[in-house]
Amino acid sequence: NAGVTQTPKFQVLKTGQSMTLQCAQDMNHEYMSWYRQDPGMGLRLIHYSVGAGITDQGEVPNGYNVSRSTTEDFPLRLLSAAPSQTSVYFCASSYGIMRRSSGNTIYFGEGSWLTVV
Amino acid sequence: DAKTTQPNSMESNEEEPVHLPCNHSTISGTDYIHWYRQLPSQGPEYVIHGLTSNVNNRMASLAIAEDRKSSTLILHRATLRDAAVYYCILRARNAGGTSYGKLTFGQGTILTVHP
Repeated sequence: NAGVTQTPKFQVLKTGQSMTLQCAQDMNHEYMSWYRQDPGMGLRLIHYSVGAGITDQGEVPNGYNVSRSTTEDFPLRLLSAAPSQTSVYFCASSYGIMRRSSGNTIYFGEGSWLTVV
Repeated sequence: DAKTTQPNSMESNEEEPVHLPCNHSTISGTDYIHWYRQLPSQGPEYVIHGLTSNVNNRMASLAIAEDRKSSTLILHRATLRDAAVYYCILRARNAGGTSYGKLTFGQGTILTVHP
């Protein structure tokens, strides 16, 4: 049971380049989401998904695209990287159907450090 | 999801208890109270959760006010390894038994533990 796996862990991009941050979970979780965390700041929600084929915007969606073709995977695409997107990105997942025993614990990946120069 | 309010920072000495407060005055009757912590350069990790009753686990205790408008995370004996950012969030339970919707984290409380 690997939990939530993010790749790559570190990436340097040039302004204008595009890339995809990968996120996979093996817990059959319905709910997946992406957050970004700037230095000294809290987590800000970018996009989230409540199941395959269903996505929605979070607090800071501009410049990012997502898709959810399978339950396991939730990639985050940077369309045209900008220095303002330099941040640490965290993927998270949880059950969507409420389970009293767990209260729907959220599991986070280890993070992807992205620098845009 | 309803909002939570936490102090920006707190300090403690090693081996002493720590009480981290969280206000959630707009909590609804079916919202679960979750606590997570984030160690430096790591993703957040689950600490504890509760609905109405106080809860204990190997990491911490959660004390929930009778009106559920506030809660307190209790670390019984702080260690240097407990130095982290602690987040209190509410997890809504929708009418259909699901827990969907935006999950937003506030700034959290930075806990500093002194040797």
